[in-house]
Amino acid sequence: GQNIDQPTEMTATEGAIVQINCTYQTSGFNGLFWYQQHAGEAPTFLSYNVLDGLEEKGRFSSFLSRSKGYSYLLLKELQMKDSASYLCVPSGNTPLVFGKGTRLSVIA
Amino acid sequence: GAGVSQTPSNKVTEKGKYVELRCDPISGHTALYWYRQSLGQGPEFLIYFQGTGAADDSGLPNDRFFAVRPEGSVSTLKIQRTERGDSAVYLCASSKGQGVMTEAFFGQGTRLTVV
Repeated sequence: GQNIDQPTEMTATEGAIVQINCTYQTSGFNGLFWYQQHAGEAPTFLSYNVLDGLEEKGRFSSFLSRSKGYSYLLLKELQMKDSASYLCVPSGNTPLVFGKGTRLSVIA
Repeated sequence: GAGVSQTPSNKVTEKGKYVELRCDPISGHTALYWYRQSLGQGPEFLIYFQGTGAADDSGLPNDRFFAVRPEGSVSTLKIQRTERGDSAVYLCASSKGQGVMTEAFFGQGTRLTVV
């Protein structure tokens, strides 16, 4: 089975930094994906972490702790276009199973 | 193709009718997934194909739902005797390789409305 826990909603100010946390429980863990989904659009890939530690990619960084079943997505220099849902997706023995995600609203 | 293509983009059907939703994955991608998404929810897994075979169909809600991928490329999701509760966006995704660790690319979805 699989269990994913992340905040339902977050609000942050343009130009600021926001951290979206995710805890998970899954069997046969391989790695963890973060996807971004704008309203009315399909999810798009942001990052994939296999090893513990921080992976940085431009304004977005993703962190993984396998032993703690914990990940976070860090968004820097927030822009209005970052308003979207962010989906934490642990990859295990089953196909990708998505939770509800975190709906981020960026305000001026 | 350049990306995952789903047709139609919108489908309105009457309760009780039969519908087919089509997915053209990225060329060379052996894995194909179907999800459905209701407003405010994350994508809900339906079925996963590896090549021509359904590797995991545990997400199909009932026997009104069926999917095929006869040649290991295009897939069709079939819904019989549609109900209003089937209204949702149906998303298809594909990925390369044998494992489930590789990045999945999503199509734009088919918005199904059952009236």
